[in-house]
Amino acid sequence: DVKVTQSSRYLVKRTGEKVFLECVQDMDHENMFWYRQDPGLGLRLIYFSYDVKMKEKGDIPEGYSVSREKKERFSLILESASTNQTSMYLCASSPRQGGQPQHFGDGTRLSIL
Amino acid sequence: AQRVTQPEKLLSVFKGAPVELKCNYSYSGSPELFWYVQYSRQRLQLLLRHISRESIKGFTADLNKGETSFHLKKPFAQEEDSAMYYCALMGSTLGRLYFGRGTQLTVWP
Repeated sequence: DVKVTQSSRYLVKRTGEKVFLECVQDMDHENMFWYRQDPGLGLRLIYFSYDVKMKEKGDIPEGYSVSREKKERFSLILESASTNQTSMYLCASSPRQGGQPQHFGDGTRLSIL
Repeated sequence: AQRVTQPEKLLSVFKGAPVELKCNYSYSGSPELFWYVQYSRQRLQLLLRHISRESIKGFTADLNKGETSFHLKKPFAQEEDSAMYYCALMGSTLGRLYFGRGTQLTVWP
């Protein structure tokens, strides 16, 4: 069974801090994704990566960056956290072959004070 | 451009009643469509995909290309079906999914 593990379930940070959210998958998937989930807005894609050191912007990349140094790990970075980045963050992975579903982690509920 | 619309934010039915969660999409190519479900305090998980044409937990979904719809149906809802449901479209770019805003289903006893 695919396992996508997010490093923290809950995280509280202060405005202006640099925040790292980590995600690791154990199925050798090429594709990895970061979403934020907000009530009434559904899932919005922040960034995704289809290979090591490759990244693509999603729909809401502003204020975020990502890092993919190893195939199994995909990090989301909030360069200077702001209160409007308080949200649930979901990581997902999928194989490169077309039409395969994404597998999700448990999510990180991030609060910026 | 790819777009997924779930017109109902909230849907309530009584146990044993039929339920239909609506999903409409906009896509110029041949779509791959999915339904994901998130039970309370659990991770988002795949419920079904149109290409499989299978029934999961009594749910089915038929792709109607003429109406650009992929509605999720179950003839007899159960309390344990209460959850958030998301319809998603896979676009042409590297397995990227486009999600609707979700429908919160509540099944009353």
